[in-house]
Amino acid sequence: DIQMTQSPASLSASLGETISIECRASEDIYSNLAWYQQKSGKSPQLLIYAANRLQDGVPSRFSGSGSGTQYSLKISGMQPEDEGDYFCLQGSKFMYTFGAGTKLELK
Amino acid sequence: QVNLLQSGAALVKPGASVKLSCKASGYTFTDYYIHWVKQSHGKSLEWIGYINPNSGYTNYNEKFKSKATLTVDKSTNTAYMELSRLTSEDSATYYCTIRYYFDYWGQGVMVTVSS
Repeated sequence: DIQMTQSPASLSASLGETISIECRASEDIYSNLAWYQQKSGKSPQLLIYAANRLQDGVPSRFSGSGSGTQYSLKISGMQPEDEGDYFCLQGSKFMYTFGAGTKLELK
Repeated sequence: QVNLLQSGAALVKPGASVKLSCKASGYTFTDYYIHWVKQSHGKSLEWIGYINPNSGYTNYNEKFKSKATLTVDKSTNTAYMELSRLTSEDSATYYCTIRYYFDYWGQGVMVTVSS
């Protein structure tokens, strides 16, 4: 099974700060990676799919990059509404694994 | 618009089974696989498996093969997940979700296993 290692586990950012969250796969996942935001008590929401494609309706300050086994989510200019938990998901060969999550807070 | 409406919260006794539902609307039911995801208290997410609503074909995470059974009823556009031999480890929120990158999610259903 493919394992996903997500870091950091938690992050505190100031308003307007640019932050990055990383996910490393245990083997090449060929860009079959997505990023989600989850707010307390709500379902996860898709932000980025296929490693770097922005889901419709998601603000352009969110971006994804990476290939092979290394991927990252960047938020360019932290906003108060960006607080929440962030997860990566790999979906190689229709078998899926989530990262452990990153809790993002506004400093 | 796409909507996945899940059944209400469940309180079940250890050793019992529970069947959760996910009623789909706003799209052609047979167009997308339906996946189920477990979220334990404290946030970690686990993929349980998926079902092809057209053929009934299922694919499970090895960890959940003896725990979860996925079915669908095409006449009512509803997907089901039955969890068997419940223990406290099965207490969690369960989501249904569709499309390859889990574009749309149900609201989640909390299952509590307690005597």
